[in-house]
Amino acid sequence: EVQLVESGGGLVQPGGSLRLSCTASGFTFSSYEMNWVRQAPGKGLEWVSYIGSGGGTTYYADSVKGRFTISRDNAKNSLYLQMNSLRAEDTAVYYCVRGRGSSGLNWFDPWGQGTLVAVSS
Amino acid sequence: DIVMTQSPDSLTVSLGERATINCKSSYSVLFSSDNKNYLAWYQQKPGQPPRLLIYWASIRDSGVPDRFSASGSETDFTLTISSLQAEDVAVYYCQQYYSTPFTFGGGTKVEIK
Repeated sequence: EVQLVESGGGLVQPGGSLRLSCTASGFTFSSYEMNWVRQAPGKGLEWVSYIGSGGGTTYYADSVKGRFTISRDNAKNSLYLQMNSLRAEDTAVYYCVRGRGSSGLNWFDPWGQGTLVAVSS
Repeated sequence: DIVMTQSPDSLTVSLGERATINCKSSYSVLFSSDNKNYLAWYQQKPGQPPRLLIYWASIRDSGVPDRFSASGSETDFTLTISSLQAEDVAVYYCQQYYSTPFTFGGGTKVEIK
């Protein structure tokens, strides 16, 4: 069974940092592109970041560019999101999602259960 | 950025009746090189992560009931639930993957009348 399990969320003060992790199982992680998608409380879905299967290509939403860094460790079947200079508007559930489709152009399946990041003083 | 606009925001339908959700993109998501529409649909039930329903605008993912169907091309797309079941109560989102940033519609909430 394909599984994605996120961890690392929590309460952080504005300006602080957090590192999210996602552990994958049930598929050949190194063969798939991966993404982070977030959902603010009671709101819709917002794509955050993409990373290619080898880790050499990354894309970011403008709202997080320069503050967030996506990375992966294929030997550990793990995806990461380093979040710096956090703002109140970054408060959301962050989902780890596997990309499917043509190189660099993904639809998302499956989704992890998500980890909540709350930015507040 | 490609803006995705869904309508209606919410929909109340009787059990067994048809539900239709619309999604409009601000730019065509049809790639001329492969003649495919780069559009997906998701279902999100309360307290759960989204689940993929449809990709390439009309291809049902594995395990998705055949009462779900989707159509459309270029900028106008539709998701149809042919006979609404109680377990279909959810928010439905469209998503374009034609270009980054990948963008979602605002969601359509489907409820039972």
